[in-house]
Amino acid sequence: QKEVEQNSGPLSVPEGAIASLNCTYSDRGSQSFFWYRQYSGKSPELIMSIYSNGDKEDGRFTAQLNKASQYVSLLIRDSQPSDSATYLCAVNTQGGSEKLVFGKGTKLTVNP
Amino acid sequence: NAGVTQTPKFRILKIGQSMTLQCTQDMNHNYMYWYRQDPGMGLKLIYYSVGAGITDKGEVPNGYNVSRSTTEDFPLRLELAAPSQTSVYFCASSPQGHYEQYFGPGTRLTVT
Repeated sequence: QKEVEQNSGPLSVPEGAIASLNCTYSDRGSQSFFWYRQYSGKSPELIMSIYSNGDKEDGRFTAQLNKASQYVSLLIRDSQPSDSATYLCAVNTQGGSEKLVFGKGTKLTVNP
Repeated sequence: NAGVTQTPKFRILKIGQSMTLQCTQDMNHNYMYWYRQDPGMGLKLIYYSVGAGITDKGEVPNGYNVSRSTTEDFPLRLELAAPSQTSVYFCASSPQGHYEQYFGPGTRLTVT
């Protein structure tokens, strides 16, 4: 059973701080990694993708990937109350079926 | 582009009733997926399709059926509704050769 593990939180940070969200995965053959943001009562929205070891930055978001440790993280700099949401980590399954395995998500609250 | 659309947004069913959840995408994506999301349980894959006429079971297919007669449409059928099928249902699509998935707004289903 391929698994994606996330700390369920809740993670609470003050406005302007850095929020750090973590994810580990079990399938060593996984090649594609995604972060989705899900506001309460809404559908998941793709915010970051990463495919190679290292960092990928997009605005206030940075995704980090370490395939040797089977670890992927998302950093949110200068956190805003509008960043309060549940963040889902998703990892592709090996075998070319284009299926993703999702973690259960980490709930982030940014306090004004 | 409307992206992925789902109807209805909300539905209440009585035990034993049947219904079809509609999903349409206008991005010419080959791959389409149905998930259910229960509180605290993450996204569970019900069925997926890699193209018109091709469908396959996901993690939790029991009690559901799908068909894919066109690239655009991927309806999910519940034949004999049970309280265990109370959930939020999301349809998603992805382009061939890529793993990122784009989600519809969801259908909130209650079976009583």
